[in-house]
Amino acid sequence: GAVVSQHPSWVICKSGTSVKIECRSLDFQATTMFWYRQFPKQSLMLMATSNEGSKATYEQGVEKDKFLINHASLTLSTLTVTSAHPEDSSFYICSATGTSGSSYEQYFGPGTRLTVT
Amino acid sequence: QQPVQSPQAVILREGEDAVINCSSSKALYSVHWYRQKHGEAPVFLMILLKGGEQKGHEKISASFNEKKQQSSLYLTASQLSYSGTYFCGTDYSGGGADGLTFGKGTHLIIQP
Repeated sequence: GAVVSQHPSWVICKSGTSVKIECRSLDFQATTMFWYRQFPKQSLMLMATSNEGSKATYEQGVEKDKFLINHASLTLSTLTVTSAHPEDSSFYICSATGTSGSSYEQYFGPGTRLTVT
Repeated sequence: QQPVQSPQAVILREGEDAVINCSSSKALYSVHWYRQKHGEAPVFLMILLKGGEQKGHEKISASFNEKKQQSSLYLTASQLSYSGTYFCGTDYSGGGADGLTFGKGTHLIIQP
């Protein structure tokens, strides 16, 4: 149980375009979803926290107008990178907590690798 | 507030033991351990909660010293598949409402 999926797994886009990444909890209801970013050879950095039906909370230094997060249902959160630039190229990973198992454990998705050319 | 992991990297031979440490400057509610292989998402290994509740793998164990705000991950009789980067993620508030703050990682290489 407690499976989180992400789509797409890999995306290449041109500079200036927008990219949407989906994060789904497949077998539980995710009351809270988290978005992380990981640059090559670095650690995961929390970008934002989203709760179903409310506005996301962004970490310091993360532009909310650039990284739009929507958590419209208990099984789906989306991250849209608007006007993407090469420096946004990174590995984006979501995680979720919710009705599955312990409320303390975060279930991670497989990640989405974004390359902006 | 990023937790500090040590060592940064370690190379072992198959069958040897490893200890990876995670230390926080702030009081911890829980510590989460993950292993990540190159190009893949982190895989959950272990969670240690304030007060002693613990979950995790069979061949991997961990300790959590609340007073010292430290956690250690123990890998015994290491296997080739243990190679990867180990991250500890710290939770300061509990309840699953906040994201984790990850350390910089410990690179573990297991050689035959």
